[in-house]
Amino acid sequence: DAKTTQPPSMDCAEGRAANLPCNHSTISGNEYVYWYRQIHSQGPQYIIHGLKNNETNEMASLIITEDRKSSTLILPHATLRDTAVYYCIVRVEVGGNTPLVFGKGTRLSVIA
Amino acid sequence: KAGVTQTPRYLIKTRGQQVTLSCSPISGHRSVSWYQQTPGQGLQFLFEYFSETQRNKGNFPGRFSGRQFSNSRSEMNVSTLELGDSALYLCASSSSGGQITDTQYFGPGTRLTVL
Repeated sequence: DAKTTQPPSMDCAEGRAANLPCNHSTISGNEYVYWYRQIHSQGPQYIIHGLKNNETNEMASLIITEDRKSSTLILPHATLRDTAVYYCIVRVEVGGNTPLVFGKGTRLSVIA
Repeated sequence: KAGVTQTPRYLIKTRGQQVTLSCSPISGHRSVSWYQQTPGQGLQFLFEYFSETQRNKGNFPGRFSGRQFSNSRSEMNVSTLELGDSALYLCASSSSGGQITDTQYFGPGTRLTVL
């Protein structure tokens, strides 16, 4: 089962920042938070990951709370092409093999 | 660098048949994982291969199998197809696999329809 909880859907106005929350209250000290997104019927696209520090790349920023029990993915200037299902994943270490466990994700709709 | 490629992109089969799907990882990547996505169950892990060996397996029946070749390309096979096997099958590659920070990159998927 997924170790994360996300709202099922969110709307965001085009050009505004999209802030997608994720709860992972049972996360362990060595587990990373990963974000992927999936545009309709395409393969999931990697966005960003982090352990405890805030991370930023060309796509997004990841803010992880100090207690690591929740995080927020920020798309600074959402466009219509950012409409997708966003998955927050806690990467569980299982004997060195780490498959991704996807939950239901958040369906983000960017509105013109 | 080219991304993960999967062939074919679309496939239609009938119940009882078998099917083989192919995945070519990103150049230099040695780990290949397979996932199944259905509307009811979402994205579920099937298995992972590294250096031609299956390292991890999800909770799927034995009808689902796979293999990896020396060039890291991978195939998955589903025998005795059932209607419930209709799904998007996704392949993901990573450079070494098995590391918690090793990012998996997904291909576009193969859409299998079983009639």
